[in-house]
Amino acid sequence: ILNVEQSPQSLHVQEGDSTNFTCSFPSSNFYALHWYRWETAKSPEALFVMTLNGDEKKKGRISATLNTKEGYSYLYIKGSQPEDSATYLCAPFGGNYGQNFVFGPGTRLSVLP
Amino acid sequence: ETGVTQTPRHLVMGMTNKKSLKCEQHLGHNAMYWYKQSAKKPLELMFVYNFKEQTENNSVPSRFSPECPNSSHLFLHLHTLQPEDSALYLCASSQDREPGGYTFGSGTRLTVV
Repeated sequence: ILNVEQSPQSLHVQEGDSTNFTCSFPSSNFYALHWYRWETAKSPEALFVMTLNGDEKKKGRISATLNTKEGYSYLYIKGSQPEDSATYLCAPFGGNYGQNFVFGPGTRLSVLP
Repeated sequence: ETGVTQTPRHLVMGMTNKKSLKCEQHLGHNAMYWYKQSAKKPLELMFVYNFKEQTENNSVPSRFSPECPNSSHLFLHLHTLQPEDSALYLCASSQDREPGGYTFGSGTRLTVV
């Protein structure tokens, strides 16, 4: 099984700060890399699906980039708000990761008002 | 609500008890999954059902027994569990196992005493 790493493990920022965190994957042989957002006591929710090297996706203040040559994806949050507090998971799918998602351990973000 | 409903939300059971977790989706998805999240570990895949047929058992102990009577319902039968089985159990569904992402339920928080 190929392990997916995420850093940092947790992050505390002040409201209004911009932040970013990293998903690192040992192999770029996958069909897609997904980002999920998981708020406490709720369901993980799909954020982005990224497939191509150089992909950049954006949803409001949150954006993500994919670099398959160097084996990482970044998630950026601009002007963090308390409602952004959640655990952010990345998960490659397909190829060397098989036909099921391999989830990273997540980055737990806390945005302090 | 995401469209995937899990019951109960919380469960406390003794090691000699038998209980079942239930997952239900009416999204028209063909694939359903059980995941486990233990403290400080990534989401771990347990079982996959595709068109009601079990396609994967990720080396899960036999004290966990899945059942998928139809494409909309998935159960996880539990018996003679150990305290280390205490975890959050998440159900998810997807359409034809394509990399379009999973829809997750909110999970069942299981405590084995």
